[in-house]
Formats: sequence, structure tokens, C-alpha cells
Amino acid sequence: EVQLVESGGGLVQPGGSLRLSCVASGFTFSGYWMTWVRQAPGKGLEWVANIKEDGSDKYYVDSVKGRFTISRDNAKNSVYLQMNSLRAEDTAVYYCAGGGVNYGMDIWGQGTTVTVSS
Amino acid sequence: QSALTQPASVSGSPGQSVTISCTGTTSDVGAYNRVSWYQQRPDKAPKLMIGEVNIRPSGVSNRFSGSKSGNTASLTISGLQAEDEADYYCYSYTTEKTWVFGGGTRLTVL
Repeated sequence: EVQLVESGGGLVQPGGSLRLSCVASGFTFSGYWMTWVRQAPGKGLEWVANIKEDGSDKYYVDSVKGRFTISRDNAKNSVYLQMNSLRAEDTAVYYCAGGGVNYGMDIWGQGTTVTVSS
Repeated sequence: QSALTQPASVSGSPGQSVTISCTGTTSDVGAYNRVSWYQQRPDKAPKLMIGEVNIRPSGVSNRFSGSKSGNTASLTISGLQAEDEADYYCYSYTTEKTWVFGGGTRLTVL
């Protein structure tokens, strides 16, 4: 079964850090661009970051540059999102997704919730 | 990195067709064919419905189709069914090497 499973979400205070993980199974992970997408409560989808198949290129939305880092370990079929200096506006459900750079994201996880609050 | 422009809501009766537009600029939708569409039902993860402007993934109904003209991409759903009721988002690559979603469109089947 093709699957992405996220973990690592939770409640954190402003200024704190969290590391999200996403483990893939059922497909050739190393052949996929991986992306993190978030959705604030009651809001639309927002692209956060993505990483090329071999990890050589990484891209970020302006609002997280310098605070978030995306990485991957193809040997472990995993992609990560290190989130530092968290703000209230980072509160959201975070989805990891995989796909082709041209085609789009055809594999999605179920999401993990991050809440930034004191 | 401004969001692509979609209508907030569209509606149609069962059996009818609806089209959802996604308007960008020459720096995103108009620049590449890297436009995709996603369906999201309440409390569920998004699902790819159309990739690369007009490619329908395996398993997606052929009632869904995509197109692009200039800076505007469109998703058309024909033969509307109750199960199509959901939020729909477009997504595009940009010339700044970033990606951007549309604001989302709520489809109501009357």
C-alpha cells in the first residue's frame, strides 16, 4: 500500500522548536519530490517547502525561510521538517506529500497538527 | 508569493457542469505547465485530481478535466454528483522557484 505517515506534531510555546517526520512506504521514495503543505484552522492550503529527489535542491515559502529546514534520508524513506522560532501563525495541520515536479503531488499523508501557543 | 485567484464558491445541480478558474500571472500559471488541482473533503487530506494542467491520474473520474489559457487555468467537472461537493485548490510553480496555491473554491452540489 502506498502510504505517507507524518509524526512529530504537538503543542509548543512561541519561540520553540519541533521536528516533523514523514515515513514513506509502498513506492520508490527516492524518485519523488517531497513537499510539506500546511493548513491553518479554517483556512486554505499553503505550500511550505519542498526538496528534490536527491536532496540537492530545497525551496521555502518566504514566511518560513531561516526558521524551517526540510531534509530527507532516502535510506530511511523519510522526509523531515525542522521548525525553529515557531510563531502563533505557524499553527496548522502539516501534510507531507510526494510527486513529480511537473505533475503535482499524488501521494499525501494524513497530516500532523502543530499548535503554537503559550 | 501571492495566492492564485479562485472564486470563493461555485455551485451546480446534479448532472450539470461547473468550471473553476484559477487566475495567476505571467510569473506562475502563464509561465509553465506545472499546474495541478486538488480536491479536499472536510477533515481529509487533499487528493490530486488533475496534474500538469490536464493529466488525470489513474482512478480519477473522467468527469474531471483541466485546461489552461494564458494566465488562467480551469478545472471542469461534468455530470455533477453529490460526492463532488468539496473544496478545490489549484497549485502552480513560479518563476521565483517557489510554489503557490489558489485560495480555494467551495463546490456545492444543489
